[in-house]
Amino acid sequence: VMTQSPLTLPVTLGQPASISCRSSQSLVSSDGNTYLNWFQQRPGQSPRRLIYKVSNRESGVPDRFSGSGSGTDFTLKISRVEAEDVGVYYCMVGTQWPRTFGQGTKVEIK
Amino acid sequence: EVQLVESGGGLAQPGGSLRLSCVGSGFDVRNYGMNWVRQAPGRGLEWLSYITSDGGYTYYAPSVEGRFTISRDIARNSLHLQMNSLRSDDTGVYYCARDVYSGPSDWGQGTLVTVSS
Repeated sequence: VMTQSPLTLPVTLGQPASISCRSSQSLVSSDGNTYLNWFQQRPGQSPRRLIYKVSNRESGVPDRFSGSGSGTDFTLKISRVEAEDVGVYYCMVGTQWPRTFGQGTKVEIK
Repeated sequence: EVQLVESGGGLAQPGGSLRLSCVGSGFDVRNYGMNWVRQAPGRGLEWLSYITSDGGYTYYAPSVEGRFTISRDIARNSLHLQMNSLRSDDTGVYYCARDVYSGPSDWGQGTLVTVSS
């Protein structure tokens, strides 16, 4: 089970934001890697993966997005929130079946 | 450029069936695992199903196991989701997604399924 917090995150433009994703069990895979993903879904759009394997940014993702964590606790950080970052963010681990997404964290501008 | 285009959504009656398709371009489905993910109106993302790159293994969410079947058509470079015994809570937008590094990396635009009498 993936538990995200907070579920709603009001942020001021230009300020940092942080989203937590916690698992009920260790996410370290048998190969030693941790396949924790972060996704962004802007209003009216398809989801987009931002981060894979905990901390690797997808091509084209701004460097203000960063992922960190290990074991059971993971964090997505936005160093300086921009207006285009409004949307819902989800975590998901790729190596546990069935796969499950976190509940989602809605990022909104104050 | 990788593209995924879903089709086959529409209105279905409770207890009925629909078959969704997802045509991929810019890559070969034989080399990638593929996913189906859905989103009920106003709700979060729900992972539904996955097929391995060799087509040998499939996985399902408990909510659809026994009712939905994932498959591939290599000749058409496409992915399918056969949905039977549809219920009202199956209503939503259905996305296909290519899997890279154990996660859905490229997503289609989605196809809307509505289950209602």
